[in-house]
Order: sequence, then structure tokens, then C-alpha cells
Amino acid sequence: AQTVTQSQPEMSVQEAETVTLSCTYDTSESDYYLFWYKQPPSRQMILVIRQEAYKQQNATENRFSVNFQKAAKSFSLKISDSQLGDAAMYFCAYRSAYIYGQNFVFGPGTRLSVLP
Amino acid sequence: NAGVMQNPRHLVRRRGQEARLRCSPMKGHSHVYWYRQLPEEGLKFMVYLQKENIIDESGMPKERFSAEFPKEGPSILRIQQVVRGDSAAYFCASSPVQGTGANVLTFGAGSRLTVL
Repeated sequence: AQTVTQSQPEMSVQEAETVTLSCTYDTSESDYYLFWYKQPPSRQMILVIRQEAYKQQNATENRFSVNFQKAAKSFSLKISDSQLGDAAMYFCAYRSAYIYGQNFVFGPGTRLSVLP
Repeated sequence: NAGVMQNPRHLVRRRGQEARLRCSPMKGHSHVYWYRQLPEEGLKFMVYLQKENIIDESGMPKERFSAEFPKEGPSILRIQQVVRGDSAAYFCASSPVQGTGANVLTFGAGSRLTVL
């Protein structure tokens, strides 16, 4: 079974600075999808960014970008020009591209604080 | 587009009572997932359903918990004879069958169950 690990329970960043959140995963598959979701205090889960494993190019969404290292099974999230609204729990998630009905596996989360 | 609708947002039950949580997927989505989030923890997969069909219930406790997604109406997560350990936030998510969004989960705002 696949597992997702986020080794940083908490992180903090100064407003306007850059922060990187770590995520590693364990799988024997070659094709899959990786995601970062954000959960602000409202508790609504919001998709931040998505990466297909077959794509070598790292995904970017405005101030959010990933560093996808397939061989190392690493999928870190970089937040540039951090804003107060970025403060939230961030969850890394994995989904198989092969198995029909495969559920999404989430990591334990990293709580990000943004300091003014 | 109303998104994924969950109700109730908050539910209080006494030990031994039944809890019913409802989820209407996003328009055009026919796959529903239920996740449980304990305080300060990540999301744990419970069950994955299509209309009138349970695809994967490997995360569901063997007793007291059941889920359905009827042909008409919302998906329902039912917890019988609730205990204090059932207190958690229960999130529903949906995805379309095909298309570029097929591997992205859209979440509802969650239902918070408190067992007294």
C-alpha cells in the first residue's frame, strides 16, 4: 500500500518570504498523481497544485510550485512571496493512475504559520 | 455551480444515538469519497462510492458504520450507536468519471460530529 509522509508537523515563514514544505511517498508504481491540498481555519479543503508523474516538468500555479523528484519519491511544495492568507494546514496526497477505484492517500499534514 | 454540499455542518449526538451525514456531489460528478479527520490529524479514507455501488470500503470500521449513494439523492454516511471516539470532522469529496478533472477531488466543507 502506498504511504505519504510529511516530516514537518509545523513550519513558519515571514510574510513575503519563501517556504518549502516537504513530502515523500512510497510506491512501486510508475504512473500516479500527486497533489497538495490546503486546509485553512475554515476547514475547507482546497486544491493547491497537482502533478502527473509522467510529466517531468514541475507544476506551477502562480506563487506555488513543486519540486517533483520521481527517483527520490519526493514532492515538495514551494510557496513564494508568502501571504497571511497562506496560513493553513497543507496536505500532500497520492493517487494511483492504474487501479480503478483507488482512493487518495493523504499525508499527516504540515501546519504553516505566516508571520507579519 | 454549487460545489460539494454537506449537511449538517455540525451535529451533536449522545452516546448510543445514530448520526446521518449527507453529501451532494458537485454537478456532473458521479464518484463520492468519505474521509474522517480527527483533531490535529490528517484525513483517513473511509469509503468510495458510485451511484448504487460501493467501490472501496476498506477504510470503514466493520461495525456501526455504513454508506450509500442511491440513484436519486445524496450520499449518506450513517453511524449507528455513536461513541465518543466517533467525534471528528467527516469530509465528503467528489470527482467526475472522466476528463481532466477525473483525478482531482473537490471537497465539501465537512460535517463536524460531536458525541457527548
